[in-house]
Parts: sequence; C-alpha cells; structure tokens
Amino acid sequence: LAKTTQPISMDSYEGQEVNITCSHNNIATNDYITWYQQFPSQGPRFIIQGYKTKVTNEVASLFIPADRKSSTLSLPRVSLSDTAVYYCLVGSNTGGFKTIFGAGTRLFVKA
Amino acid sequence: GAVVSQHPSWVICKSGTSVKIECRSLDFQATTMFWYRQFPKQSLMLMATSNEGSKATYEQGVEKDKFLINHASLTLSTLTVTSAHPEDSSFYICSASGNNQETQYFGPGTRLLVL
Repeated sequence: LAKTTQPISMDSYEGQEVNITCSHNNIATNDYITWYQQFPSQGPRFIIQGYKTKVTNEVASLFIPADRKSSTLSLPRVSLSDTAVYYCLVGSNTGGFKTIFGAGTRLFVKA
Repeated sequence: GAVVSQHPSWVICKSGTSVKIECRSLDFQATTMFWYRQFPKQSLMLMATSNEGSKATYEQGVEKDKFLINHASLTLSTLTVTSAHPEDSSFYICSASGNNQETQYFGPGTRLLVL
C-alpha cells in the first residue's frame, strides 16, 4: 500500500498561491494520485487527479515529478473559503482501490 | 457528474438499536463502494470495501457482524450498524467508483449519535 505523508498544517493569506506537497515513496506503477478537499462535517470533494507530469483544471494544478514519489497541489490565489483539510490519495482501480487516508493538511487562509 | 448521496444525513438513536445508512451513486454505476468512519479532528478510516453482488471485504479490526454491508445493486450500498453503542457515534462516509474510473467520489456523510 502506498503510504502518503503531508505537512500537518499550513497558513496562508488571501490572494496567495499555496503549494502542498505529498510524499508517496512506494507508489505502484498503476497508481493515480488524487487530491481531495474536506470541510468540517462534509465528505471529501474531488479536486484533481494525475498520473505524471502536470495536470491543470479550473481550481488547481497538480505537479508530479518523473519518479512520481511525490506530488504538489497548487492552489492559485486562495480565498478564505479555501480553509479546509486537503488529502492526497494514491491508488488505482486495477489495484482494487486499496487506499489509506493520511492525516491530511489543514490549510488556514487568513484575511 | 459523479454524484454520491447518503441518507440520512444525521441520525440519533438509543443504545442497542440498529441503524441503516444508504449510499447511492446518482449518475453512474458504482462497481465498488467504500465505507469510512471519521472521528472528530481525525482522518478517514476505511472500514470496508464492497463490490456489487459480492461480500464486503472488511479492514482489520472492523467487526463484520456489527457493521453489515450490502451492495445489492450498482447504485446502492447500505451500512447497518447493529446494536449500536455510544462508542459507535461517528461520521460515516461512503464513496463509490465506477468500472472505468480511477477516482473515488464521496458522499456527504452521515452523522450518527448513539445515546
């Protein structure tokens, strides 16, 4: 199982770019990297997913180096509403989606 | 797309009673569904994985006779907490994945309080 390690918490200010890095040293060949956002008393919400290099959507970018042992979620110009816990997950459908949630990163955006 | 619902969103019950939580994939066929439990200020803990039409696979330490999981169709899975006790009070979250999807989509969660 690919275990993930993230910083426990991060602080930022509105309008700044935030980068959260996740380590997953034993990622398997078929594994994808998925990031989720969770607000209190809600289920995790899908943010972005990638396999290698760079992926960008309307809310975030995901950078994955060639060795795939880490990944970085980039949130451009955060706002107060981005205060949440962010989780990176590693797994694949072919692997039965055996994934373990790490502790996540608590992002606190200040005015 | 890829919407997962849960019902009820919250439930309060007396100790010793059983509670059923439903998880539905609304716009896709979920070949695999997952049940998680989350305590305050903690991460999600996987309880079990279920595939449509087959028995669920429980994680170590999760009592299969206490947490009954049924995945009878491609859009519905249920979790029944039998003989609930106060220590079962938690936030229960399901997720679902389709056959050609590499992503789990999560439901909004169900808050269970056992008195």
